Amino acid sequence: DSGVTQTPKHLITATGQRVTLRCSPRSGDLSVYWYQQSLDQGLQFLIQYYNGEERAKGNILERFSAQQFPDLHSELNLSSLELGDSALYFCASSPQIPDGPYNEQFFGPGTRLTVL
Amino acid sequence: GQNIDQPTEMTATEGAIVQINCTYQTSGFNGLFWYQQHAGEAPTFLSYNVLDGLEEKGRFSSFLSRSKGYSYLLLKELQMKDSASYLCAALNQAGTALIFGKGTTLSVSS
Repeated sequence: DSGVTQTPKHLITATGQRVTLRCSPRSGDLSVYWYQQSLDQGLQFLIQYYNGEERAKGNILERFSAQQFPDLHSELNLSSLELGDSALYFCASSPQIPDGPYNEQFFGPGTRLTVL
Repeated sequence: GQNIDQPTEMTATEGAIVQINCTYQTSGFNGLFWYQQHAGEAPTFLSYNVLDGLEEKGRFSSFLSRSKGYSYLLLKELQMKDSASYLCAALNQAGTALIFGKGTTLSVSS
């Protein structure tokens, strides 16, 4: 158990809908990262937040957005869902500021999203 | 551009040694990570190299050559539970993102 929690564990929805995935980082970790893992693409970095501020963006679609709240939990919002958005979505957290010397990320158990 | 290459699949037998190679090309570099991932589960950290050389941790070792953009993960005394996907990931210069390879699926048989 990494100490990172994600809810829900599974989510099934229809095309065109909007969903929210939630992540609570390990106690004390200020950085939160979101990743998408699909069968053909592997793990893709989406976005990072540090202490409430967006820090870096990866391959995140404009239909997706995220935020980190004052209590450091984060939410990933996916809208206008398409079949291709079906994937495992992982959240990770790390203890250090992003330009620290060692930035191990601890991954949550993931949310499996199925879009029908 | 950013590119991480590793073999798609490997097979080995219990008790054997296996080496999983990874080559990387990234714009800026701040270290190389190896993660293990069992199907449907979260990746778990195995090793981190930022300097050239070999890091040994029990049955697992990881090697890095920055000049060659090359790393490998060495697994000794293989056990059935080592059957998993092994992910090579490069941390970018800013430390803001892990760039993952697609993973190497290792199957260990008896």
